[in-house]
Amino acid sequence: DAKTTQPPSMDCAEGRAANLPCNHSTISGNEYVYWYRQIHSQGPQYIIHGLKNNETNEMASLIITEDRKSSTLILPHATLRDTAVYYCIVRVTDAGANSKLTFGKGITLSVRP
Amino acid sequence: DAGVTQSPTHLIKTRGQQVTLRCSPKSGHDTVSWYQQALGQGPQFIFQYYEEEERQRGNFPDRFSGHQFPNYSSELNVNALLLGDSALYLCASSRFRDGQETQYFGPGTRLLVL
Repeated sequence: DAKTTQPPSMDCAEGRAANLPCNHSTISGNEYVYWYRQIHSQGPQYIIHGLKNNETNEMASLIITEDRKSSTLILPHATLRDTAVYYCIVRVTDAGANSKLTFGKGITLSVRP
Repeated sequence: DAGVTQSPTHLIKTRGQQVTLRCSPKSGHDTVSWYQQALGQGPQFIFQYYEEEERQRGNFPDRFSGHQFPNYSSELNVNALLLGDSALYLCASSRFRDGQETQYFGPGTRLLVL
């Protein structure tokens, strides 16, 4: 799986958009970009994933650059409950051999009142 | 629809003992993966089970073993516990469909080895 690079931390004000960057310059054509978050001492929570098109769901939006070498997770209206470690992961999703998730250190998002 | 469940939530063992952790997958899922998360680190992949067989394994010693049952639930066994095995153990379930697979995590079992 390709490696990802995320800044160690960032903060944003409650109610504002949080834009979390991720670099994955060695991503392969068949690798997806996945985002998970982990609130203190809980299991990671799946947020969103995409291949090359931008994606949106009830939690967030994922913007992937045209060359697929970087992406941004957008939380449109951050709340205090969004304070967590956010992991950007690139992976293939073929059945079986390479379906493990490889977590890096993630980015710690702190939402301030 | 219940999500992924794990038991117990917390466990304290002493060095040299053996431990068994349990995981019930999300309804409709047939694949279970186990991860170990040491304090301050990201989760590390231990192994994955599908159709009651270990399909993929991470860089963990043979002291770590597992099992998957016909109902897709799974167990993680760790023998000869070391202090360094103290961690949050996470189970994730998934199902491959239309060429994609998303893993959903349980709340974890926190193991403390004294």
